[in-house]
Amino acid sequence: AQRVTQPEKLLSVFKGAPVELKCNYSYSGSPELFWYVQYSRQRLQLLLRHISRESIKGFTADLNKGETSFHLKKPFAQEEDSAMYYCALNPGTYKYIFGTGTRLKVLA
Amino acid sequence: EPEVTQTPSHQVTQMGQEVILRCVPISNHLYFYWYRQILGQKVEFLVSFYNNEISEKSEIFDDQFSVERPDGSNFTLKIRSTKLEDSAMYFCASSVSRFVGESTGELFFGEGSRLTVL
Repeated sequence: AQRVTQPEKLLSVFKGAPVELKCNYSYSGSPELFWYVQYSRQRLQLLLRHISRESIKGFTADLNKGETSFHLKKPFAQEEDSAMYYCALNPGTYKYIFGTGTRLKVLA
Repeated sequence: EPEVTQTPSHQVTQMGQEVILRCVPISNHLYFYWYRQILGQKVEFLVSFYNNEISEKSEIFDDQFSVERPDGSNFTLKIRSTKLEDSAMYFCASSVSRFVGESTGELFFGEGSRLTVL
């Protein structure tokens, strides 16, 4: 079954501390993975996709096929990073499969 | 910057009533989607729509649900006879392409329509 798991509902870190938001997926093929973010009172928007291998707002995510993971990392959290983060998998069809989301709170 | 717009932002309805949620996708996008999120749960795929027909639907999208693109701009989700468990935030999304390897595969979401069924 195709599934995305985000084990943490809430992650609180202090400003300047490293952040890692966990995402594990279950998919037998070659996955397309994404992180979407929803800031307070804003819409869901794409943060980054694994295929681009890019760093957005200081965030990076590496696809680890052996561990079936796509964790989101940032070395130094900022208060403006506080948001809801969703990991998503596209199995090559018309739909995306989202995880349950992790709320990141960056404390001053 | 063009955006996906959804109306209404919040609708309260009685169980058994019909509800229509409206979306205006970004004008040059070709693929349209509805997702929903029950409070505290994950964002779930309902249906995708391309070339004036449903391209894929989930098991949630049963006979009570329908989608339509009545004109060149609107994309609607109809729930024929609402149930308590239909209470959720409904998100419309659109994309230029479904080929996620391209930059145009990105989903652009609306702000959502909160449906409350009493």
